[in-house]
Amino acid sequence: QSVLTQPPSASGTPGQRVTISCSGSSSNIGNNYVYWYQQLPGTAPKLLIYRDNQRPSGVPDRFSGSKSGTSASLAISGLRSEDEADYYCAAWDDSLSGVLFGGGTKLTVL
Amino acid sequence: EVQLVQSGAEVKKPGESLKISCKGSGYRVTRFWIGWVRQMPGKGLEWMGIIYPGDSDTRYSPSFQGQVTISADKSISTAYLQWDSLEASDTAFYYCATVDGPGDSADSWGQGTLVTVSS
Repeated sequence: QSVLTQPPSASGTPGQRVTISCSGSSSNIGNNYVYWYQQLPGTAPKLLIYRDNQRPSGVPDRFSGSKSGTSASLAISGLRSEDEADYYCAAWDDSLSGVLFGGGTKLTVL
Repeated sequence: EVQLVQSGAEVKKPGESLKISCKGSGYRVTRFWIGWVRQMPGKGLEWMGIIYPGDSDTRYSPSFQGQVTISADKSISTAYLQWDSLEASDTAFYYCATVDGPGDSADSWGQGTLVTVSS
């Protein structure tokens, strides 16, 4: 099964701003909304960003999403130790008629 | 508050059958589709399929078509994921999640069900 392309790892120091990229194609990111999820160790994924750049209630505004063409990004500003987690992007794929996930990015807070 | 509660961990032998559940609350049962996602040990997320409990319209990911059965009982707001003959490679966490509909991704997630298949 194809995946959206994310870097396997990212890192930053407390207070820094980090971005995680997600690359797809016209059948997924280019034509459908992008979602971002945070998965803390040993827990279920949690919705961080929906419909490209919308935050659910309760998600801090340190988290933001953007999209351009067939790529998307998640930005985390004011990095905190509790942000250390796996982050996944996702988008509906018209060819698959289902959701495609990125391979996941492990964020380390140094 | 939307909440999904999944059934408990299972330990099964290869060849055995299994049905796990996902019960929704805090919303009208016809409001959302329910999706299922697999996460194998140490790996990423994989979309398995979605079902609309209102009329049991089901869409499978090609990778899982014929491998599992997704069903729902609207009367008790519960969705199910079923295997007829488990394999060791089915060992994974399985998550259910609400989905607005085809074209959207997962919103609220269940806590996950760990399925272990071992002889």
